[in-house]
Amino acid sequence: EPEVTQTPSHQVTQMGQEVILRCVPISNHLYFYWYRQILGQKVEFLVSFYNNEISEKSEIFDDQFSVERPDGSNFTLKIRSTKLEDSAMYFCANQRENEQYFGPGTRLTVT
Amino acid sequence: LAKTTQPISMDSYEGQEVNITCSHNNIATNDYITWYQQFPSQGPRFIIQGYKTKVTNEVASLFIPADRKSSTLSLPRVSLSDTAVYYCLVGVPYGGATNKLIFGTGTLLAVQP
Repeated sequence: EPEVTQTPSHQVTQMGQEVILRCVPISNHLYFYWYRQILGQKVEFLVSFYNNEISEKSEIFDDQFSVERPDGSNFTLKIRSTKLEDSAMYFCANQRENEQYFGPGTRLTVT
Repeated sequence: LAKTTQPISMDSYEGQEVNITCSHNNIATNDYITWYQQFPSQGPRFIIQGYKTKVTNEVASLFIPADRKSSTLSLPRVSLSDTAVYYCLVGVPYGGATNKLIFGTGTLLAVQP
């Protein structure tokens, strides 16, 4: 079964630094999502992406965040200036038909 | 979006059947009920989805009464590896440019030997 992959699995960065989280979605899946999960808390929707543009974003997804598909296959989430509270698991997801397929996540630790 | 309510945690033993009930009193006509499973430090995984009555797949069954204000996920003969958080979600799962998933706190199922 095809899988969503994410890199890196763990990223440690200092406050104020930029990070880029990468996702390789399942081919032919057109709807893309980023979610995050702070340790011990709920999975939270960040942004959805379709047809090379943002479809919807949550209040969390402020000007520090951006998404793009730089080469038509990879899907990236950039945080321009990380804050301590950005420490979380970040999950990429694809939708096909009525299911969303989640990647294994990137654990981001901001120190 | 319809709000869901489910127990925070449940305990079970290996080999038992586990039923997790979810309340969704404000479910809309076009909403489906979907359950996801999440293991620690992993992404959620789709388990089952239904609109009404009963749905069964190789992993679980989903029972939805006629009024659709609640649903029950049934896991037959659980094993230790079924220990996870189970999320009940309500919404339209397809057809739009965005079908974001709104997760609640879920039910932590702990299966003991």
